[in-house]
Amino acid sequence: AQSVTQLGSHVSVSEGALVLLRCNYSSSVPPYLFWYVQYPNQGLQLLLKYTSAATLVKGINGFEAEFKKSETSFHLTKPSAHMSDAAEYFCAVSDRGNNRLAFGKGNQVVVIP
Amino acid sequence: DGGITQSPKYLFRKEGQNVTLSCEQNLNHDAMYWYRQDPGQGLRLIYYSQIVNDFQKGDIAEGYSVSREKKESFPLTVTSAQKNPTAFYLCASSIFGGNQPQHFGDGTRLSIL
Repeated sequence: AQSVTQLGSHVSVSEGALVLLRCNYSSSVPPYLFWYVQYPNQGLQLLLKYTSAATLVKGINGFEAEFKKSETSFHLTKPSAHMSDAAEYFCAVSDRGNNRLAFGKGNQVVVIP
Repeated sequence: DGGITQSPKYLFRKEGQNVTLSCEQNLNHDAMYWYRQDPGQGLRLIYYSQIVNDFQKGDIAEGYSVSREKKESFPLTVTSAQKNPTAFYLCASSIFGGNQPQHFGDGTRLSIL
């Protein structure tokens, strides 16, 4: 079964600094990968997705992620953090057989002024 | 605008009582999902449905039941058999296909009185 590992439940970043959230996946077949963002008491919103086209994927709000098969990784980055980036971020991998998503435990991002 | 509507936003349950969470979508999606979210646990799949009148158990189905009588609706019942029901519940839907992202409602927060 597919699975995702996100290390570091809480990530603090200074305003204007690089945001880097790590995601490593386990999959027996080429995966589909997703990053979602969740603001307090809301549902999840799709940031970006990798579906075997370009390995560097650009998403909303200035985020991007790079698929690296050799490292089984799909890390999320943003060059310059903004206060509005404070939220929880989830990486997910799709099971191609039945449309199920396996989610990581999430990273709570705190932006320090 | 198309989307997913979950109601109510907040719900309280007494011991031994069943409660039903509503999920309606107007995105014309075939697949629908229910997740449970606990702090630090990520999202865990309760049930999913790929087509009307059919649904499958997810990873934590015990103490829950669902129905899928209409394409637009996928209600979740939390039964008295669920001993720890306090959590944030999220409903999602998607076009069928592993490369398709899931779209989420804004959740229902269930608490025990």
